[in-house]
Parts: sequence; structure tokens; C-alpha cells
Amino acid sequence: AQSVAQPEDQVNVAEGNPLTVKCTYSVSGNPYLFWYVQYPNRGLQFLLKYITGDNLVKGSYGFEAEFNKSQTSFHLKKPSALVSDSALYFCAVSPLMNRDDKIIFGKGTRLHILP
Amino acid sequence: KAGVTQTPRYLIKTRGQQVTLSCSPISGHRSVSWYQQTPGQGLQFLFEYFSETQRNKGNFPGRFSGRQFSNSRSEMNVSTLELGDSALYLCASSPGTSVPALVLNEQFFGPGTRLTVL
Repeated sequence: AQSVAQPEDQVNVAEGNPLTVKCTYSVSGNPYLFWYVQYPNRGLQFLLKYITGDNLVKGSYGFEAEFNKSQTSFHLKKPSALVSDSALYFCAVSPLMNRDDKIIFGKGTRLHILP
Repeated sequence: KAGVTQTPRYLIKTRGQQVTLSCSPISGHRSVSWYQQTPGQGLQFLFEYFSETQRNKGNFPGRFSGRQFSNSRSEMNVSTLELGDSALYLCASSPGTSVPALVLNEQFFGPGTRLTVL
């Protein structure tokens, strides 16, 4: 069965430090991978996606994510965290092989950037 | 360009009632998807509409239904409301192609409708 896991419910990082939000997935075939961010009382905003090509994907607001096929991971990273990065982050996967399959979201990871 | 709009933003209903939520996609977008977000289950896909046709459906009971109009606006209906239907309902639009939008394209989300069932 297709699935995506975000093993950490919450991540705390001091402002200015690098941050990582973890995501692992399980799909048949090659996946499309996405990261979205949700600020309080707002809908989700697209950050970045991996379709194919370079394993390091750069996205909005200075975020990037690294696709690791052998570890089936797609961790979100940022070199220097800002307090304004505090939000709920969702990893999502959509299988490539079966185009009728649905997009699957992780449970979300709440990121707290401490001033 | 105006973003995705959802109305109403907040709704309180009682068990057994029905509710209709509305979503207006970004101008030019033809694909509209609906999601249910709850603290326990996270974000779950309900269905996707493209050119007035339901193209994809999640694992929700038949009480959850939707439709899309010729102007791409979409409505979602929940009948015989249950307490467990209390959630944030998010709508997302995407330009859409012949390939399901979920697979290829990033989606643009509205602010959501917070439904509370008492």
C-alpha cells in the first residue's frame, strides 16, 4: 500500500540553526513528492516538488529537499531557520505508475523556531 | 490573480443536518480537489473534479458528494452529518491537464471551511 510517514510530530529549532523535517514514503514505482506548508488559519501552500532529475530540489522561502531513492526519503531542509518558518509542514506523495492513484499526505510536522 | 476562495469560512451544524460548501478556483484552473483535515487523521483526499467530471475519489462514504460547474466552481455536500465530520475542509485548484492534476501539478489551496458538528 502507498504511504508517507513524517516520524516527528514536532520539531524545535533555534533561529539561525539549520532545520530538517523528515519524510519517508512507500509507493510502487517512482513517486512524485511534494512539500506543503500550512500557516495558522490558512490553507496549504506549495513549497517544492520532485518529479525527476536532480535529487536536490530547491523551493520557496529558501527551503530545499533531498530525494534519496535508496532510503525512500524526501527530507525538507533549510540552512538557517527563521521564526517566521514556524508552521505545520506536510509531505505528500503521488505514485507515478498508476495515474489513477490519489495523492497521499503525511500527518504533518509542526515546526517551532525558537527566537 | 485572485486566489482560491471558499465559503463559508465557518459553519456550525447539528447531527443529521446536511451542509454545502463552495469553492471558487483560481481563474483558468480547471481542476478542483477537496480534502478533509482533522487532528487525528491529518489531511485526507475526498475527490477531484475536472471539467465538471469527478476524476478521482478518496475513501469516504457516499454521504460526501460534490459537483463542478461549467465555470469550474465546485460545491461539496455532506448529508446526515455526524460528529466525526467536524473538520477543516480544504479546496485546492490546479490548472489541470488530461493527466490527473494530483499526479503532476502543485495545487493552490483555499483557506478552508471550518465545519463544527454539534
